[in-house]
Parts: sequence; C-alpha cells; structure tokens
Amino acid sequence: EAEVAQSPRYKITEKSQAVAFWCDPISGHATLYWYRQILGQGPELLVQFQDESVVDDSQLPKDRFSAERLKGVDSTLKIQPAELGDSAMYLCASTPRAPGYEQYFGPGTRLTVT
Amino acid sequence: GNSVTQMEGPVTLSEEAFLTINCTYTATGYPSLFWYVQYPGEGLQLLLKATKADDKGSNKGFEATYRKETTSFHLEKGSVQVSDSAVYFCALSANSGYSTLTFGKGTMLLVSP
Repeated sequence: EAEVAQSPRYKITEKSQAVAFWCDPISGHATLYWYRQILGQGPELLVQFQDESVVDDSQLPKDRFSAERLKGVDSTLKIQPAELGDSAMYLCASTPRAPGYEQYFGPGTRLTVT
Repeated sequence: GNSVTQMEGPVTLSEEAFLTINCTYTATGYPSLFWYVQYPGEGLQLLLKATKADDKGSNKGFEATYRKETTSFHLEKGSVQVSDSAVYFCALSANSGYSTLTFGKGTMLLVSP
C-alpha cells in the first residue's frame, strides 16, 4: 500500500539553527499539506500545495518558515532560525486532486528545539 | 469559519466497555466529516468518514453518523479493546475548493484490561 514518506523522523536542534524536513507524497497525489501539531493539540495547517503552486500559506510564519514543491512531487519545509516554540510534530499529508477526499498522512517529524 | 469541538479527555474505560466520543462542528455549506486515530509517536490514520447528512461511516467496529440537524459526528464502539488506546481526532473538510482539514483538539482514549 502506498504511503506518504517523511524524513527525518526525529530532529533535535539548537535555537537559532536552521532545520529542514522532507516529504514524498503518494504517487499521483496533486495536493500536499504541511501541518504542525503541538503536543496535546490537533494538527494545524501551515501550507497547502496544488501541484507546485502554493494555494494557502496564510498560517505559515513567513519570517522564519519556507516551503517549496519545485516539481510538484516531493516537498521541503524549512525553519530558519528555529525557536523554542517551534518544538512540535510536523506532519505531511497528500490527497488526490478532487475536493472531499480523505488526506493520507505520513509518520511525521518530531522536532525538539533546545 | 469552520471549527470542530470534541469532548475533553482522557476517556478511561475497561476492556469491552461501550465508547462514545462526542464531536460537534460549525461549518458553512455541507462538509465531509472524518475521524482520525493517532497512536503514540505516529502520524494520523483515517478511521472512518461520512460525506453527506445521515451517512454512517464505519470501520474496525467503530461507527459515526453524520447528523446535520445537530451538527454532530459522535464516535461509538460497542466493545473497546486495549489496542484501541490512542488519540482520536474529529475533523471536517469543505466539499469544494482545496479540502483543507479542520481538526478538533483530540480525545485520548485509555483502555485497561
């Protein structure tokens, strides 16, 4: 069964350092999402791509976060510089093009900023 | 805007007990509704879904009915197992546009033998 791949699974970084996460969605899925999940909370959308285009990044802290999906396949989320409050689980999800389909989630990257 | 409200946890049950986790929503139009489950240290897995009013989603003994009149999508299971211990998230998605999911805060379920 096809799965969403994410790496790394765990990342520990110091405050003010740069960090990057990678996501490879299920083959053929046009829409890709990055979520942030703070411990004890539900996931919150950071950015949404349709193919290679950003369709929603209204909740992305653009002063320190960036995301790209250059060829409309895999995607990278970057934080520079990391802050203590960025400690969270970062989840990637993908879905086929049509609205209303369920999203398929990867295993997530657990980020700890010290 | 869209929002989802779930009952707070943790919900603590003995094995074979009946489970209900309440979920209500606020949305414009007619959203699709989902229950996702998250096991410790893992990503989210879709448990069940319903795409229109009065639909019943079911999977692995869990079920939930889309109630438009009460804007609810409560999760139920007749007999829980220890292996059901996890965090359960209710979510909605608009049936138009780009299908962004809005999640509740999650309800932790702890089942003891």
